[in-house]
Amino acid sequence: AQSVTQLDSQVPVFEEAPVELRCNYSSSVSVYLFWYVQYPNQGLQLLLKYLSGSTLVKGINGFEAEFNKSQTSFHLRKPSVHISDTAEYFCAVSLTGYSTLTFGKGTMLLVSP
Amino acid sequence: GAVVSQHPSRVICKSGTSVKIECRSLDFQATTMFWYRQFPKQSLMLMATSNEGSKATYEQGVEKDKFLINHASLTLSTLTVTSAHPEDSSFYICSAGKGTGTDTQYFGPGTRLTVL
Repeated sequence: AQSVTQLDSQVPVFEEAPVELRCNYSSSVSVYLFWYVQYPNQGLQLLLKYLSGSTLVKGINGFEAEFNKSQTSFHLRKPSVHISDTAEYFCAVSLTGYSTLTFGKGTMLLVSP
Repeated sequence: GAVVSQHPSRVICKSGTSVKIECRSLDFQATTMFWYRQFPKQSLMLMATSNEGSKATYEQGVEKDKFLINHASLTLSTLTVTSAHPEDSSFYICSAGKGTGTDTQYFGPGTRLTVL
């Protein structure tokens, strides 16, 4: 079975600073990788996904992530964060050919002025 | 687009009553829908997967007689929490996929259930 580890439960950062949210996964087979964002009391919004091809994936709101197969990682980055980026971020995996998602525990990004 | 709606967004009920939550895909046909439960400050836990016209597949530990799922059409799935108790209070989120295989799940806005 696959699993996802988000190493940081909370990441505080100042506005306009860069940020990296870490995600590592475990799977014996190929996976698809996703990052979702959740604002308070709302559902999840897809930020970006890696299915195949280029390992650097660009998403919405200026976020990008890089798939590193050797390190089994899919870290999320943004070069300059805004106050409005304050939210919970979830990394998720699914087995290729299936849609069932396994989520990490989430990382709360706290952006302060 | 791929918009998923949920209704109601918030519901408060008395212990022992049943509550129905609707999940609709507004601009696409969802062959597969998923129901998740999220406790405060925790991740999403998959409860069940439903395919249109067939019985839902429940995850281990989820009581299928308590959480009734119906996927009657390609745009509607419902979750009924029967004989709700305070421990059923949670945030319930549905998602929908356009097809099997590689596709992305599109999430609804969630339903906050509070059982008194």
